[in-house]
Amino acid sequence: GAGVSQSPRYKVAKRGQDVALRCDPISGHVSLFWYQQALGQGPEFLTYFQNEAQLDKSGLPSDRFFAERPEGSVSTLKIQRTQQEDSAVYLCASSPRDKLYEQYFGPGTRLTVT
Amino acid sequence: AQSVTQLGSHVSVSEGALVLLRCNYSSSVPPYLFWYVQYPNQGLQLLLKYTSAATLVKGINGFEAEFKKSETSFHLTKPSAHMSDAAEYFCAVSALTGGGNKLTFGTGTQLKVEL
Repeated sequence: GAGVSQSPRYKVAKRGQDVALRCDPISGHVSLFWYQQALGQGPEFLTYFQNEAQLDKSGLPSDRFFAERPEGSVSTLKIQRTQQEDSAVYLCASSPRDKLYEQYFGPGTRLTVT
Repeated sequence: AQSVTQLGSHVSVSEGALVLLRCNYSSSVPPYLFWYVQYPNQGLQLLLKYTSAATLVKGINGFEAEFKKSETSFHLTKPSAHMSDAAEYFCAVSALTGGGNKLTFGTGTQLKVEL
């Protein structure tokens, strides 16, 4: 079946621009996670949704980062006024209801802020 | 709070040799433990998981890991390395809570397989 998809795969933004990154989870998966992976590092948790409810946003690095999942399926991570330190790969993962501990990752969006 | 330490950011083995990638964890509650593999420009693929059942866990591609509570370790092994195993490997820990099972990852180990 189809896996988690993310778009765009690559994004180049000038410093100060706003960007929107999209995640399409596996159909029927209730949980959705966003992670940020800086170059040479492991992924770091940003935020978590269960259906449309954002239950944990403790990992969002600043108020420039905003995520939503209005209908409980597709999610968008928005970064306002991008800074160079935002350059990273943004990974999305989803989990099914009966295996909440098992996360399936998308290919990521590589964001480069120039 | 949970954390993971992966010893060795780079490991090099010969094809056919034993692969051993080390992972130690810290968790205030019984942990769930995972190994993921990441190939260049791809997302993470789950290799195997420990969820408090058998302490020796077998995964895909011939990998296995053993949960040792006394040593707080979850090392990844494979008896015989193949060239296709060259990738980056991440150990991760989580605790299933009301806030979901967010993963805390180690910094990764790059595995190189030489002829």
